[in-house]
Amino acid sequence: DVKVTQSSRYLVKRTGEKVFLECVQDMDHENMFWYRQDPGLGLRLIYFSYDVKMKEKGDIPEGYSVSREKKERFSLILESASTNQTSMYLCASSFQTATASGAFFGQGTRLTVV
Amino acid sequence: AQTVTQSQPEMSVQEAETVTLSCTYDTSENNYYLFWYKQPPSRQMILVIRQEAYKQQNATENRFSVNFQKAAKSFSLKISDSQLGDTAMYFCAFIFKAAGNKLTFGGGTRVLVKP
Repeated sequence: DVKVTQSSRYLVKRTGEKVFLECVQDMDHENMFWYRQDPGLGLRLIYFSYDVKMKEKGDIPEGYSVSREKKERFSLILESASTNQTSMYLCASSFQTATASGAFFGQGTRLTVV
Repeated sequence: AQTVTQSQPEMSVQEAETVTLSCTYDTSENNYYLFWYKQPPSRQMILVIRQEAYKQQNATENRFSVNFQKAAKSFSLKISDSQLGDTAMYFCAFIFKAAGNKLTFGGGTRVLVKP
């Protein structure tokens, strides 16, 4: 089974803190994604990466950055956390050429910024 | 811009009954894939069913089936013989290669199956 693992299920951080969300996949997928999930808005793409050290902005990149130093690991960084970044964050991965397979998701990290 | 719209925020259904979730999308692409994902209360998102846009035959996976109307850009999900374990958020999504295999999601429909 494909496994996408996010380092934390729940996080509480203070405004202004630097926050790291980690994601690891074990299927040698080229693509990795970070989504933000908010009620009524569905999932919105923050950043994605199609290869090591490669990244592209998604629909809502402001206030976030990412790092992909190894193929299996994709980190989302909140440089200075703000209360409007309180949300559910989902990591996903997929093969670059297997469009029909969709993507595989982690269990999500519920981040609360106070 | 590619968009996906799910017009039903919440639906409830009696156990063993059938429920249909609607989804419409907008794209100028011709070659794409459509998906329905399920997110149970435990939050792990899982793939329920997929449809390739170039196939006219509607996809079916056990109790889950889709009604794909390409011209109308409509992609509804039917859950037959609903079970309590079907209670979840359901997301419609699509993907196309030209966008780097990024999934675009609708806002989701919360389904509650009542005993």
